[in-house]
Amino acid sequence: DAGVIQSPRHEVTEMGQEVTLRCKPISGHNSLFWYRQTMMRGLELLIYFNNNVPIDDSGMPEDRFSAKMPNASFSTLKIQPSEPRDSAVYFCASRFKVWLAGIKPTGELFFGEGSRLTVL
Amino acid sequence: AQKITQTQPGMFVQEKEAVTLDCTYDTSDPSYGLFWYKQPSSGEMIFLIYQGSYDQQNATEGRYSLNFQKARKSANLVISASQLGDSAMYFCAMREGKGAQKLVFGQGTRLTINP
Repeated sequence: DAGVIQSPRHEVTEMGQEVTLRCKPISGHNSLFWYRQTMMRGLELLIYFNNNVPIDDSGMPEDRFSAKMPNASFSTLKIQPSEPRDSAVYFCASRFKVWLAGIKPTGELFFGEGSRLTVL
Repeated sequence: AQKITQTQPGMFVQEKEAVTLDCTYDTSDPSYGLFWYKQPSSGEMIFLIYQGSYDQQNATEGRYSLNFQKARKSANLVISASQLGDSAMYFCAMREGKGAQKLVFGQGTRLTINP
């Protein structure tokens, strides 16, 4: 089975440009998470969705950041305009909550390989 | 206050030795879950092991085990018979509250296995 797929893997852009990061969660997973990783702040949750609905966006840094999930198989994280301090690795992760064969899911997140963003 | 504390920024261990990575957590909720992830230099996050707050036994997955001490609020990861491929960053994370979804991560420990 394919894992969580993120694109682009690497993005270099100039300050002020719009950046769009994309994520395809694992088929059947009904929760999707966007995390940001930096040396200074570690892994921070930006936003997460349940069944395509945003549940908690309290981690979104500011209005320059927006995220959408138009359907169960696709999500975007957009930064407009981008700034050098947005440089980081952005991870998308998904999970499912369904019990399988009577076994409660542990709820671990399955991560994509990340999108490394550099804003000059 | 930090929810997850990993006090060891870096550790160096000889190959084949066992290693313990420390993790303490802070929560007043009786229902929570604790996770460990590995992040090799290639960058992906790999799930290793899970411990639920109501689990009676310490979790084990192959060479990985979790030393869960509920009263002390610690959930240390033990790797037995370390291998060169175990060199990576290791993150402890917590999901807090029944029905909660998001994971909060610690700052991580960089483990280096020496030949």
